[in-house]
Amino acid sequence: DVKVTQSSRYLVKRTGEKVFLECVQDMDHENMFWYRQDPGLGLRLIYFSYDVKMKEKGDIPEGYSVSREKKERFSLILESASTNQTSMYLCASSLSWQPQHFGDGTRLSIL
Amino acid sequence: QKEVEQNSGPLSVPEGAIASLNCTYSDRGSQSFFWYRQYSGKSPELIMFIYSNGDKEDGRFTAQLNKASQYVSLLIRDSQPSDSATYLCAVNTGRRALTFGSGTRLQVQP
Repeated sequence: DVKVTQSSRYLVKRTGEKVFLECVQDMDHENMFWYRQDPGLGLRLIYFSYDVKMKEKGDIPEGYSVSREKKERFSLILESASTNQTSMYLCASSLSWQPQHFGDGTRLSIL
Repeated sequence: QKEVEQNSGPLSVPEGAIASLNCTYSDRGSQSFFWYRQYSGKSPELIMFIYSNGDKEDGRFTAQLNKASQYVSLLIRDSQPSDSATYLCAVNTGRRALTFGSGTRLQVQP
């Protein structure tokens, strides 16, 4: 079974803080993704990576950056958190063009 | 126009009935199509995927794809209260990431 692990289920931070969300997968998948999910807006792609040190912007990259130093780990960074970044963040991974598998999600609140 | 469109629902069906969930997409070059189920407060889990025109069956679930009309549907036979969830349609539009619809909320009434 594919296992995608996100470091926190719930996180509360303050505006202006630098926030790190971590994601680890154990299936040697080359593709990893970060989405955010908001009511009525569905899942929106923030960034994805198809190889170590490679990254591509998704649909809503503003205010975020990512890091992929090792194949199994993909980090999402909020450079200076703002209240409009309060959301559910979902990490996913996939092998080649195969279906994506999701982690449990991190519910992030920015106060 | 949204790239992947779904009726938000709720779609309400009685227990034992067939639930029909529909999805349309705008990119004619789309190659692969996925259905995910998401329970409230949980992350999406893959139910089915389909690549070719026609039907694909897996247990109580059938995915149907019509590329000419640009729609994909999911049928759930013998619906159970445990099927109550939001169903997300996702489309691969040529990049490795998926484009998701906003989801249809299904309610199965006991």
